[in-house]
Amino acid sequence: GQQVMQIPQYQHVQEGEDFTTYCNSSTTLSNIQWYKQRPGGHPVFLIQLVKSGEVKKQKRLTFQFGEAKKNSSLHITATQTTDVGTYFCAGRETSYDKVIFGPGTSLSVIP
Amino acid sequence: NAGVTQTPKFRILKIGQSMTLQCTQDMNHNYMYWYRQDPGMGLKLIYYSVGAGITDKGEVPNGYNVSRSTTEDFPLRLELAAPSQTSVYFCASSYPDTGANEKLFFGSGTQLSVL
Repeated sequence: GQQVMQIPQYQHVQEGEDFTTYCNSSTTLSNIQWYKQRPGGHPVFLIQLVKSGEVKKQKRLTFQFGEAKKNSSLHITATQTTDVGTYFCAGRETSYDKVIFGPGTSLSVIP
Repeated sequence: NAGVTQTPKFRILKIGQSMTLQCTQDMNHNYMYWYRQDPGMGLKLIYYSVGAGITDKGEVPNGYNVSRSTTEDFPLRLELAAPSQTSVYFCASSYPDTGANEKLFFGSGTQLSVL
């Protein structure tokens, strides 16, 4: 079945450093979404990518969808303490209705 | 607009007991999902539904049952609780127009302990 992987599992950065998390699916995706979960909270939607090679930006966050629609990345420029949390990618496999989440990358930002 | 509402927020069960986790949404979303999240781990899909009367298994369905009699409600049933079902359970819903805007709205979760 469909599997979604993410690396790294954990990342500790100094405030102001950049951060990147990578997401890979075992199958081609019709779309990929990114979510952020703060400790003790629920996942909150950040963005969705649909097109092959798509790049979207939200202030300091840059999201990319691979050409083969099997991988994606999230890059944060100049991290801030408000970026702390776990970042999940989630993909819908083409022709299927279920949305599968990756295991997440936990980001810690040291002030 | 309440969004996705889950009840209860916390529950402790004894091994072998049964319970139903309630989930309701007021956004007229066709798609609804149940995920579980073990401590420090990601979300695993238990069951999902693409509309009233239609349900399907996710990644980890064993030990659970669901029903979808209305668009608004998607309850999750644990028949014989086991310690392995200790987890945080999230319900989510999404727009019916899949592919165009797949945003999942999550409830605040139910923290379940089975002792």
